[in-house]
Formats: sequence, structure tokens, C-alpha cells
Amino acid sequence: QVQLQESGPGLVKPSGTLSLTCGVSGGSISSSNWWSWVRQPPGKGLEWIGEIYHSGSTNYNPSLKSRVTISVDKSKNQFSLNLRSVTAADTAVYYCARASLGSHWDYWGQGTLVTVSS
Amino acid sequence: DIQMTQSPSSLSASVGDRVTITCRASQSISSYLNWYQQKPGKAPKLLIYAASSLESGVPSRFSGSGSGTDFTLTISSLQPEDFAIYYCQQSYSTPRTFGQGTKVEIK
Repeated sequence: QVQLQESGPGLVKPSGTLSLTCGVSGGSISSSNWWSWVRQPPGKGLEWIGEIYHSGSTNYNPSLKSRVTISVDKSKNQFSLNLRSVTAADTAVYYCARASLGSHWDYWGQGTLVTVSS
Repeated sequence: DIQMTQSPSSLSASVGDRVTITCRASQSISSYLNWYQQKPGKAPKLLIYAASSLESGVPSRFSGSGSGTDFTLTISSLQPEDFAIYYCQQSYSTPRTFGQGTKVEIK
């Protein structure tokens, strides 16, 4: 059974960088799947941030592309999210998820709340 | 970007009711449409993928249909554990986009 676990700071200062890591267990990050980040502001809907393949290929949401970097570490079976120049609008629960064959998200982390505040 | 529009935004129903939620895409997405269920404080859970394929372990009272721009999620007999928010999501192109959600509440 594949499991994903987000980790990282729960509080980030405005203009700083939000950094999260998603550890994958029960399966290989080098499988034929894409690995994604999705966020959800409190009380609001879901927003796709971007995704990465084990080769390093990435796709980003154009609305965030200038501030986002997603990377993969195959040796640690994990992938990471960096979001730069954050504001209060970036406060959200951040989820990592596996996109089965790049299509549908069948495994999700439990989510981690990141608050942007001084 | 492909816009996904769900209707209704919320509905009240009773246990045993048949419930239908609609999702419309701003352009044709073939059958690249997925449905998720989200309960408070939990990650979304995949119910239906590729418009009509039931995810393993999901009860058969959930079904999906449609292609092109119009899609439907049906719960044939609503159960107490089905009260949640439901989202559609297109995987036809990037950026992946979601509908705004449909909240299913107890009547």
C-alpha cells in the first residue's frame, strides 16, 4: 500500500519561501506515475500546483509557475515543493498526491497546514 | 485553462435518496474526468476516474457517466457516510483544474 507523508514548517514569514517534502513509502517514486502537489486554502476549493516525473520532467500551474519549483530525490524516494515570495494568500493545506499514469490522484498525503504570517 | 463548473453548489438530501451532481467543462475533455469525495479535515478520496471507472474499494452505489463536456456523478442510495463535498477534476490537459465543489448535506 502506497503511503505519502508531507513534512515541513507550518509557519512561513511573508516574502519567504515555503518548502515541503513528500516522502513516499510502499512504492517506488520511479514508477510510471506523476507526483503532484495540490493545495486548499481554509474553507475553499482545491488548486493544482504542479507535478513531477521521476525523470525530472515537470508541469506547473501557470498561475504559480514563476514562484514554484518541484524536485525529486530518487535516492530518498521523495519529492519536494518550493514556493517563493509567499503572501497570506498562500496560506493553505498542502497535499502531495500520486497521479496514477498521470491521470487521476489515487494516493494522497494527509495534508499539512502552512500559514504565512509574521 | 479548462474551467470546470459543478451544479448544484450544495444540496440537502435524506438517507436513501438518489443524488446526482453535474460537472461541465468549458471545452471537450473526452473522458478525462475524475470525481473525488472530501470529508472535513481529510484529504480528497478518489471515487471515479476516466468518467465512469469505479476506483477499487469504492461502493457500487457511486457511478459516473458522460463524455465531452458534460458529466454526472450519481449516488444511487445515499448513506450517512456519504455526506461530504464532491469535486470533479479534469486530467485532459495542464493545468489540472477542479470544479468548485458540491456539498451534500443531511436533510
